[in-house]
Amino acid sequence: EAGVAQSPRYKIIEKRQSVAFWCNPISGHATLYWYQQILGQGPKLLIQFQNNGVVDDSQLPKDRFSAERLKGVDSTLKIQPAKLEDSAVYLCASSPPTSSMEQFFGPGTRLTVL
Amino acid sequence: GQSLEQPSEVTAVEGAIVQINCTYQTSGFYGLSWYQQHDGGAPTFLSYNALDGLEETGRFSSFLSRSDSYGYLLLQELQMKDSASYFCAFHTGGFKTIFGAGTRLFVKA
Repeated sequence: EAGVAQSPRYKIIEKRQSVAFWCNPISGHATLYWYQQILGQGPKLLIQFQNNGVVDDSQLPKDRFSAERLKGVDSTLKIQPAKLEDSAVYLCASSPPTSSMEQFFGPGTRLTVL
Repeated sequence: GQSLEQPSEVTAVEGAIVQINCTYQTSGFYGLSWYQQHDGGAPTFLSYNALDGLEETGRFSSFLSRSDSYGYLLLQELQMKDSASYFCAFHTGGFKTIFGAGTRLFVKA
């Protein structure tokens, strides 16, 4: 079974630019998560989707971050405009309908904001 | 508030047993998970405890005490490849997941 796919793997941008990340979860997984992981810290949940509805986005900086999951499959996370403190790895994860406890993570996108 | 505490670093010798503790504070606790992450890699699921007691999966075991808001991950027969960061994460009733800051395990020969 194919794992969670993410692209791009690396991105370098200047501050105030915009950037978008893409995630394709494991087929059949209803729940999709976006996490931000700053170096040396644990993953921080940004947004959680159940199918194409938002379950939790309480930690998403909505003035600059947005996410969508059209048709309940793949998802995009956008940052506009980016700040220096957005430099981090952005991880996408998915979990099957039977259990939301085991999350399958993609390889992540390493974002550097200069 | 919601928080988790785990040691920042642990060092152990190859072949030994190591225990990584995790204490948490939250309302609406649903369960505790453990993840392993190698440098540059993605977190991978190790175990999940919803009820008190010990869950064993090969060389790894995880324990939960809901009354003490405490859990631990036990790694036996340590191997060099076990050098990684280990995260505990709790789940709330709304299935929100909160990760700890992680414990970096160094396994020495």
